Amino acid sequence: GNSVTQMEGPVTLSEEAFLTINCTYTATGYPSLFWYVQYPGEGLQLLLKATKADDKGSNKGFEATYRKETTSFHLEKGSVQVSDSAVYFCALMDTGRRALTFGSGTRLQVQP
Amino acid sequence: ETGVTQTPRHLVMGMTNKKSLKCEQHLGHNAMYWYKQSAKKPLELMFVYNFKEQTENNSVPSRFSPECPNSSHLFLHLHTLQPEDSALYLCASSRTSGDTSTDTQYFGPGTRLTVL
Repeated sequence: GNSVTQMEGPVTLSEEAFLTINCTYTATGYPSLFWYVQYPGEGLQLLLKATKADDKGSNKGFEATYRKETTSFHLEKGSVQVSDSAVYFCALMDTGRRALTFGSGTRLQVQP
Repeated sequence: ETGVTQTPRHLVMGMTNKKSLKCEQHLGHNAMYWYKQSAKKPLELMFVYNFKEQTENNSVPSRFSPECPNSSHLFLHLHTLQPEDSALYLCASSRTSGDTSTDTQYFGPGTRLTVL
């Protein structure tokens, strides 16, 4: 079956530090890959997505590249802000199935 | 109001109560979803509706009963719940296209449910 594995959190960084949150996946088909963000007390917001190998999704300074050879979709940002503090979820949607499979989430805490 | 809305935002109920969660989407989408977010487990899909028809039930206990009267509204009827059902219940919607892998799901803010 499908699965998504994320690095354990929390990740604590100082403002303007470089961020990497690792995500690897297992899927039977050719999935689309997503990063969602959940701010405290809120639902999930789509951050970025990539639908095929070597695609790069980007939004608000965050980037992730779909790496089929390593089955990975790591999230990066060059300079984090306090306002980026949230829980980040990696997810996949496999071909032909309308359901998202989520990782366990990684909490990011950015300190001023 | 835009996007996906959910009511109530918080709900406390006893194990013998009957309550309902409501979700409404203003995005013109045709597919709607219920997910459960527990404290120590990954987000789990519960149900999928496509054009008002249930297309997926992820082995959800019968004490959770979904209803989708039209493409804009989705309900989750709750009865005789257990304390372990306490969680954040998230609704989502997406456009229906021929390529299901590229549909993007948009989430509501969730209902925080506590079962006493």
